[in-house]
Amino acid sequence: DQQVKQNSPSLSVQEGRISILNCDYTNSMFDYFLWYKKYPAEGPTFLISISSIKDKNEDGRFTVFLNKSAKHLSLHIVPSQPGDSAVYFCAASLAGGTSYGKLTFGQGTILTVHP
Amino acid sequence: DTGVSQNPRHKITKRGQNVTFRCDPISEHNRLYWYRQTLGQGPEFLTYFQNEAQLEKSRLLSDRFSAERPKGSFSTLEIQRTEQGDSAMYLCASSYLGLAGYEQYFGPGTRLTVT
Repeated sequence: DQQVKQNSPSLSVQEGRISILNCDYTNSMFDYFLWYKKYPAEGPTFLISISSIKDKNEDGRFTVFLNKSAKHLSLHIVPSQPGDSAVYFCAASLAGGTSYGKLTFGQGTILTVHP
Repeated sequence: DTGVSQNPRHKITKRGQNVTFRCDPISEHNRLYWYRQTLGQGPEFLTYFQNEAQLEKSRLLSDRFSAERPKGSFSTLEIQRTEQGDSAMYLCASSYLGLAGYEQYFGPGTRLTVT
């Protein structure tokens, strides 16, 4: 049961353009969402997050949008840079109970930014 | 470097052998998580500790797997009687319960190959 899904295995973008990575989830109890970036031979690095009480969070070139009714979130990178080339994972967490803080990850999207 | 560290980075073992991995979290973090990642997938939750207490274990964690966090500091993950299906990247992450967010900070991982 894949509760967090990233349906695009890969995305290719030209430098300077916008990159849009998408993520869907099925568990309506998730209330906190995160994006991680992963380079080869390294662990995932936290990028940006959003609480379910918000619909947008921005940090520099990175913006995450949350559409709760559609159970969909997206990560926008503007402008894209070659150094952004990596695997991007979205993750979701529950608010409370024993699973509080435990992350459920999507399968990842490989982003390639061409110079 | 005050990030999460994991040792060893790589482990090759023969089927049936026991292996043990170590994770040193960020010092002020009271939560420690273990995840497993296989090729083309996102990290999958295995277990987590709050201080020295193991609060949740995934159904992925068969009885051949055991994790400890003595004194609430470093943690070890042991796999007994390894099988080829155990080959994966084992990731450790830590976080501080009490922050508004749920961000977890990952180590570089231990790549296990069972031959």
